[in-house]
Amino acid sequence: GQQVMQIPQYQHVQEGEDFTTYCNSSTTLSNIQWYKQRPGGHPVFLIQLVKSGEVKKQKRLTFQFGEAKKNSSLHITATQTTDVGTYFCAGPSGGYNKLIFGAGTRLAVHP
Amino acid sequence: DVKVTQSSRYLVKRTGEKVFLECVQDMDHENMFWYRQDPGLGLRLIYFSYDVKMKEKGDIPEGYSVSREKKERFSLILESASTNQTSMYLCASRTTGGSGYTFGSGTRLTVV
Repeated sequence: GQQVMQIPQYQHVQEGEDFTTYCNSSTTLSNIQWYKQRPGGHPVFLIQLVKSGEVKKQKRLTFQFGEAKKNSSLHITATQTTDVGTYFCAGPSGGYNKLIFGAGTRLAVHP
Repeated sequence: DVKVTQSSRYLVKRTGEKVFLECVQDMDHENMFWYRQDPGLGLRLIYFSYDVKMKEKGDIPEGYSVSREKKERFSLILESASTNQTSMYLCASRTTGGSGYTFGSGTRLTVV
């Protein structure tokens, strides 16, 4: 069946270092979404990418959607302790507006 | 502020009990979802609903059922709770054709 894989599972950085998480789908996606879940919290929608090769920025976060629409990445420049959490990518699965999520990348930032 | 509200933050139930998890959204969204979240496994879809009284199985429906009698409310039912259903349960909603899900705060269920 359809799979969405994320790497790495866990990343530990020093504050100020950059961070990247990668998302790969077994199938071509019509769009990809990214969510952030703070420790003890619930996932919060960050962004949706739709076009092949699309790049979007939110302050220090840069999101990319691959040309083949099967992979995506999230890059954080100069991490801060507020970036701590788990980042999930998700893509459409079948119809009915449902999503399949990657297992997430947990980011730890040490001051 | 738009919201998805889950009735309980923490629940402890005994094996064999029938458990009801409630979710209410105030955004008039057509689509509602129940996921469970376990360490290392991410979010796995249990059931979803795209309209009142309509339901579809997700990836892991065994041992669960759902009810959607009103548009704003989507209930997850554990027919006979088992210890392997100890997990974080997340409800979400989304408008048809919209972008991201809005999640509730989650219910951490422990079955003893």
